[in-house]
Amino acid sequence: GIQVEQSPPDLILQEGANSTLRCNFSDSVNNLQWFHQNPWGQLINLFYIPSGTKQNGRLSATTVATERYSLLYISSSQTTDSGVYFCAVEHIGSNYKLTFGKGTLLTVNP
Amino acid sequence: GAVVSQHPSRVICKSGTSVKIECRSLDFQATTMFWYRQFPKKSLMLMATSNEGSKATYEQGVEKDKFLINHASLTLSTLTVTSAHPEDSSFYICSASSGSFNEQYFGPGTRLTVT
Repeated sequence: GIQVEQSPPDLILQEGANSTLRCNFSDSVNNLQWFHQNPWGQLINLFYIPSGTKQNGRLSATTVATERYSLLYISSSQTTDSGVYFCAVEHIGSNYKLTFGKGTLLTVNP
Repeated sequence: GAVVSQHPSRVICKSGTSVKIECRSLDFQATTMFWYRQFPKKSLMLMATSNEGSKATYEQGVEKDKFLINHASLTLSTLTVTSAHPEDSSFYICSASSGSFNEQYFGPGTRLTVT
């Protein structure tokens, strides 16, 4: 099956700092999504981004499908950004199944 | 965005009993629903895929007789953990997608504790 690797596994920031999270995947994909899992376990959709660049407020994401990676940028981080960020991909031919990376645990300190 | 609900959010049951978890798409018709399991501080592992009106497809290593999945309508899927044991304790999360979009939307999860 497809491998999804996220880095870094843990990240600690001061409020106001910027960060970049990375997701590498081992094969071609139909779909790539970024999620934020809040402390209560809810996965919040951040981006659906199989290719290209998107921005939503302080967050933006870029996927370079030909090089098999995606980046999530968080600017001017806030304490409420804390949580686990997951990248998930739909491998071509997998019939819409998502394979998740292990996540990046982000802690933003005041 | 699309909204998916789960019920209950938290359940405690005795070993040997069965527990049913509901997953509903509130504002769209979900042609496909997925069930995941998440252990503490771990990633999500897909358990099974269900399409409305057909049998669920289980991932390797998931016991279909223990984790019964029904997708009776375009807005409801249920997961029944039969004869639950303490090792079934976990966080169970469903997701749903529609024929009109590929993006999956997730429910808030159900925390199951088997005593």
